[in-house]
Amino acid sequence: QVQLQESGPGLVKPSETLSLTCTVSGYSISSGYYWGWIRQPPGKGLEWIGSIYHSGSTYYNPSLKSRVTISVDTSKNQFSLKLSSVTAADTAVYYCASGIITVFDYWGQGTLVTVSS
Amino acid sequence: DIVMTQTPLSSPVTLGQPASISCRSSQSLVHSDGNTYLSWLQQRPGQPPRLLIYKISNRFSGVPDRFSGSGAGTDFTLKISRVEAEDVGVYYCMQATQFPRTFGGGTKVEIK
Repeated sequence: QVQLQESGPGLVKPSETLSLTCTVSGYSISSGYYWGWIRQPPGKGLEWIGSIYHSGSTYYNPSLKSRVTISVDTSKNQFSLKLSSVTAADTAVYYCASGIITVFDYWGQGTLVTVSS
Repeated sequence: DIVMTQTPLSSPVTLGQPASISCRSSQSLVHSDGNTYLSWLQQRPGQPPRLLIYKISNRFSGVPDRFSGSGAGTDFTLKISRVEAEDVGVYYCMQATQFPRTFGGGTKVEIK
């Protein structure tokens, strides 16, 4: 069974870089079609952050593009998110998700990241 | 960006009765490959989203057959034939035809 688990600091200071990792189990990340990140501010809806395809191509939300980097580490079966110059508006639950059969078919449990000094 | 608009915002339903959620996109979701990448997700309280339906009407693995999706072009519907207590939560439509991927604002299904 495919499982995804996010990990990383739960508290980030303003202007710093948010870094999260998604560890995939039950499936080889190098076989997946694509992998992505989505976030959800407390009490609000879902926002797509970006995706990385098996080809290495990346696609980012234009609203975040200048600050986002998504990468894959096949040796660790992980993919990562970096979001720079964070502000309080970046406080959210961050989810990683897979695209094995279709778009965002499996999701991690999510991790809350709070931006505060 | 494609804007996804869901109605209603909230849907109080009696157990065992049907529920229906509408999703409208600001542009056609038909991809150049002929597929329509419209999905429905369920988010139970305190849980991550879960994929229910993809490409308009395909139920994902393990999804009960009381959930069904329909529609075409810009208008789509999720139906629950008989609502059960475990169906309480927020439902989102999502398009993956174009970048950026976008979600509807969500519809809260609750028991009367």
